[in-house]
Amino acid sequence: GAGVSQSPRYKVAKRGQDVALRCDPISGHVSLFWYQQALGQGPEFLTYFQNEAQLDKSGLPSDRFFAERPEGSVSTLKIQRTQQEDSAVYLCASSAPGATYEQYFGPGTRLTVT
Amino acid sequence: QKEVEQNSGPLSVPEGAIASLNCTYSDRVSQSFFWYRQYSGKSPELIMSIYSNGDKEDGRFTAQLNKASQYVSLLIRDSQPSDSATYLCAVYSGNTPLVFGKGTRLSVIA
Repeated sequence: GAGVSQSPRYKVAKRGQDVALRCDPISGHVSLFWYQQALGQGPEFLTYFQNEAQLDKSGLPSDRFFAERPEGSVSTLKIQRTQQEDSAVYLCASSAPGATYEQYFGPGTRLTVT
Repeated sequence: QKEVEQNSGPLSVPEGAIASLNCTYSDRVSQSFFWYRQYSGKSPELIMSIYSNGDKEDGRFTAQLNKASQYVSLLIRDSQPSDSATYLCAVYSGNTPLVFGKGTRLSVIA
């Protein structure tokens, strides 16, 4: 079956622009996670959804970051007024019921803020 | 703050040798442990999970967990050049997000 998909794969934004990153999880996966990965670092947790409920958003770095999953499937991570330090790869992962932390990652979106 | 430590490497091993990758973690109540492989420019791929002390084998991969010493390791037998990648250790401690180490870069020399 299809894996996790993300779009766009690459995004260049001018500082101050808003961006929206999309994640389509594996069918049937109720848990969805967003991570930020800087070069040479491991993924860092941003936020977690179980179905449409956002259960943990403790990793969102500022109130410029917002995520939603209104129907419990596709999720969008929005970054308002982008800053240079937001440049990173944004990874989405999903997991099956009963195996929440065995996560399957999408290809990521590489965001470059100029 | 929960920490997961890995040697960044690079760890270089000759083709056919055993590669040994280590990870230590700070939270004693950690429950679940994962190894991900990440090729350059690609996303992490889950290769092993381990939940109880001891060894878990899957093909050429063996995960070892020692909760008393707070370390988890990954052994790759008969290393191949295609195993060259960054290996990420991830730890789950219950009611907290999955915490990743920075990864160890493995280079298998043909």
